[in-house]
Amino acid sequence: QSALTQPRSVSGSPGQSVTISCTGTSSDVGDYNYVSWYQQHPDKAPKLMIYDVSKRPSGVPDRFSGSKSGNTASLTISGLQAEDEADYYCCSYAGSNTYVFGIGTKVTVL
Amino acid sequence: QVQLQESGPGLVKPSETLSLTCTVSGGSMNNYYWNWIRQPPGKGLEWIGYISYSGTTNYNASLKSRVTMSIDTSKYQFSLKLTSVTAADTAVYFCARENYFLSSGYYYRGRNFDYWGQGSLVTVSS
Repeated sequence: QSALTQPRSVSGSPGQSVTISCTGTSSDVGDYNYVSWYQQHPDKAPKLMIYDVSKRPSGVPDRFSGSKSGNTASLTISGLQAEDEADYYCCSYAGSNTYVFGIGTKVTVL
Repeated sequence: QVQLQESGPGLVKPSETLSLTCTVSGGSMNNYYWNWIRQPPGKGLEWIGYISYSGTTNYNASLKSRVTMSIDTSKYQFSLKLTSVTAADTAVYFCARENYFLSSGYYYRGRNFDYWGQGSLVTVSS
């Protein structure tokens, strides 16, 4: 299994929207609607932000949204806020009860 | 509130065995799948594998020959052993819970990780 491809970094000004892509293959992202996204602040544990491609856990602001088209999933942060500055990782179910993570994207709030 | 806490040695010598335990509090271990995920310094996350509440395991193919997981639900603990470690195994090791949901009376795996431990840095060095 190869890590899912994400841009190394994205940036935006407060209030703007940013979108992070997560590209896999027809054996993982393209084959299952089990893509999740995690936010990780420095020296902290990852936090679940999106699951099943587009569902938000309780307590996650609706500024965070997810989608998928083909082998590529996306996380959009609307109305960017300073506290959104963090690393973001996608994760996909890859069949046979295995999982694969993306390489991670650093979001910078300008 | 469910909490997970990793524990174990922070320093392991090359060729030896890395051992970590994750203690679960604030909730049951039943019906869940318990995972280990690691993150080398400055790098991304890597799924290591899981053990279910009933002891079923599955590991990342790249680590399968060196990984063993076990669980003791009476102690609310599950563990990771990684043999023949090298410097490449230096990482922060996280334990994480994979959730489930009920539908029409059946349990389905959630395929995501909803609770994580704070992480335990393990350095492989002589």
